[in-house]
Amino acid sequence: QKEVEQDPGPLSVPEGAIVSLNCTYSNSAFQYFMWYRQYSRKGPELLMYTYSSGNKEDGRFTAQVDKSSKYISLFIRDSQPSDSATYLCAMSEMNTGGFKTIFGAGTRLFVKA
Amino acid sequence: EAGVTQSPTHLIKTRGQQATLRCSPISGHTSVYWYQQALGLGLQFLLWYDEGEERNRGNFPPRFSGRQFPNYSSELNVNALELEDSALYLCASSLRGALNEQFFGPGTRLTVL
Repeated sequence: QKEVEQDPGPLSVPEGAIVSLNCTYSNSAFQYFMWYRQYSRKGPELLMYTYSSGNKEDGRFTAQVDKSSKYISLFIRDSQPSDSATYLCAMSEMNTGGFKTIFGAGTRLFVKA
Repeated sequence: EAGVTQSPTHLIKTRGQQATLRCSPISGHTSVYWYQQALGLGLQFLLWYDEGEERNRGNFPPRFSGRQFPNYSSELNVNALELEDSALYLCASSLRGALNEQFFGPGTRLTVL
């Protein structure tokens, strides 16, 4: 079982739809939960991160972390064609031995005009 | 403010050769991270450098090595190249140890023939 599971998609939605992207994980020691957006032939771009459980909102984007269920989500409201990209979840833990950041495989999102 | 830069953009090598990839972090960032993104796979953590020292290493063989210079730029060296080393190599930087806020460069596409 992978430490982080993410449905690769592709996910295709019409413009204006609410998009829900999700990841599950197995390591309860993860402390930071991040979402990155990666356009084709570009490096990933940090969208937002949360520490521990809870919600965080930034414009049209909302990140949710449910540590009890080991489940994180990214919601995109009023989706736009420019949101078409691959979305990567990532999780990190820091301990005395160093740190570990695990990325999901990414979900490809297509927003149709 | 300039972002993370990487060079070269593309690199073509043959099996058994050595490859050197370079990364310049965002000004003020002391931590540099290297990742491998193979086709169809998520980002795999390679190395973390901070203040000139290797702080952590992922599950890669010793022929993947690197260093960080006094100006915090970094080099990734891959010796004895194998076909499966073909991938996008991404460098990220952050403030010291801020692994939840990593900023990525555009990557170097390495092709091994």
